Amino acid sequence: AQSVTQLGSHVSVSEGALVLLRCNYSSSVPPYLFWYVQYPNQGLQLLLKYTTGATLVKGINGFEAEFKKSETSFHLTKPSAHMSDAAEYFCAVAMEYGNKLVFGAGTILRVKS
Amino acid sequence: ETGVTQTPRHLVMGMTNKKSLKCEQHLGHNAMYWYKQSAKKPLELMFVYSLEERVENNSVPSRFSPECPNSSHLFLHLHTLQPEDSALYLCASSLGLAGADTQYFGPGTRLTVL
Repeated sequence: AQSVTQLGSHVSVSEGALVLLRCNYSSSVPPYLFWYVQYPNQGLQLLLKYTTGATLVKGINGFEAEFKKSETSFHLTKPSAHMSDAAEYFCAVAMEYGNKLVFGAGTILRVKS
Repeated sequence: ETGVTQTPRHLVMGMTNKKSLKCEQHLGHNAMYWYKQSAKKPLELMFVYSLEERVENNSVPSRFSPECPNSSHLFLHLHTLQPEDSALYLCASSLGLAGADTQYFGPGTRLTVL
């Protein structure tokens, strides 16, 4: 069965610093990969996704992620953190059909002023 | 209304009550989902519907009963729940069931079972 590991349940960065949220998946077949963000008392919003093609994917709010097949990773980055980035971030994978998203446990990002 | 809406946003119920959660999508999608989000646990897929047919029931207890009368509406009927069922229930929709199809989420219903 698919699994997703997000390293670090809490990450704290200073405003303006690099954001790096880690995601590794278990699959022998490259899956489809997603990053979602959840603000307090809200649903999940898609940040970006990888399906095929270019392995560096750009998303909303200045975030990007790189699919590395050899490392089975899909880490999320943002060059400069903003206070409004404070939220919980979820990495998820899906296989070819059935659209069963398997989520990681989530990483809460705190941005310090 | 745009996107995926859910009502009510908050619900408190006793273990003997019967209540229903409603989800509506305004995206023209064909697939709809129910997820359960509990504290300190990954999101759990509960049910998947495609073109109003249930295609996935992820070992969910029978006290949760889904209904999909058309491709725009999804309900979750609740009865004789347990306190451990308290959670955020999220609805989502996607164009189809292809793995690349993005799921769009509603804001959720925060359920508290007393």
